[in-house]
Amino acid sequence: DGGITQSPKYLFRKEGQNVTLSCEQNLNHDAMYWYRQDPGQGLRLIYYSQIVNDFQKGDIAEGYSVSREKKESFPLTVTSAQKNPTAFYLCASGTLEDYTGELFFGEGSRLTVL
Amino acid sequence: AQSVTQPDIHITVSEGASLELRCNYSYGATPYLFWYVQSPGQGLQLLLKYFSGDTLVQGIKGFEAEFKRSQSSFNLRKPSVHWSDAAEYFCAVGTGAGKSTFGDGTTLTVKP
Repeated sequence: DGGITQSPKYLFRKEGQNVTLSCEQNLNHDAMYWYRQDPGQGLRLIYYSQIVNDFQKGDIAEGYSVSREKKESFPLTVTSAQKNPTAFYLCASGTLEDYTGELFFGEGSRLTVL
Repeated sequence: AQSVTQPDIHITVSEGASLELRCNYSYGATPYLFWYVQSPGQGLQLLLKYFSGDTLVQGIKGFEAEFKRSQSSFNLRKPSVHWSDAAEYFCAVGTGAGKSTFGDGTTLTVKP
């Protein structure tokens, strides 16, 4: 089945540690996105990539980094510079053929920093 | 800049009753509009979308939405709510550059 796989589903880390969240898709989509979700705040865009080896900052990129070495993969690193990293992180992908913004989401990764 | 407003943070309806979730958008060009649903601890699933044409669009799970350009609205409706519809609902506007802007969501509770 085609889809987006995020791992791990739950992650606990100590303050000051970098963590990397995995996102893999087999939908053959060109574009991939990372969103952060906090209660009552909807989804906020962290980074997005429309082509391999290229990515752009979203609205809240500070304290995060990404890479896009393969079309299928778009890992997100939450660095120690992120002041409030505890959140639910969602990866999404989309085709650029119609450019409408329709997104396909993974199941999410919940990060808790202790 | 584009924006999406969902005026109702939380709505409670009785099972079998009708439902309407409100969504207002701000976007300079012809909007691409979406409704997504999210169950607790899960990702988002597309319910329906509007790109052009007929202003009343049908989606999955018996949902429909009506695009009203004059009111900048895209309200979601369902004639008879089921307990399994309890979830969080997000309205989004696509900007045409492959990105979307989301509202803050509306949480739906269904009373037995």
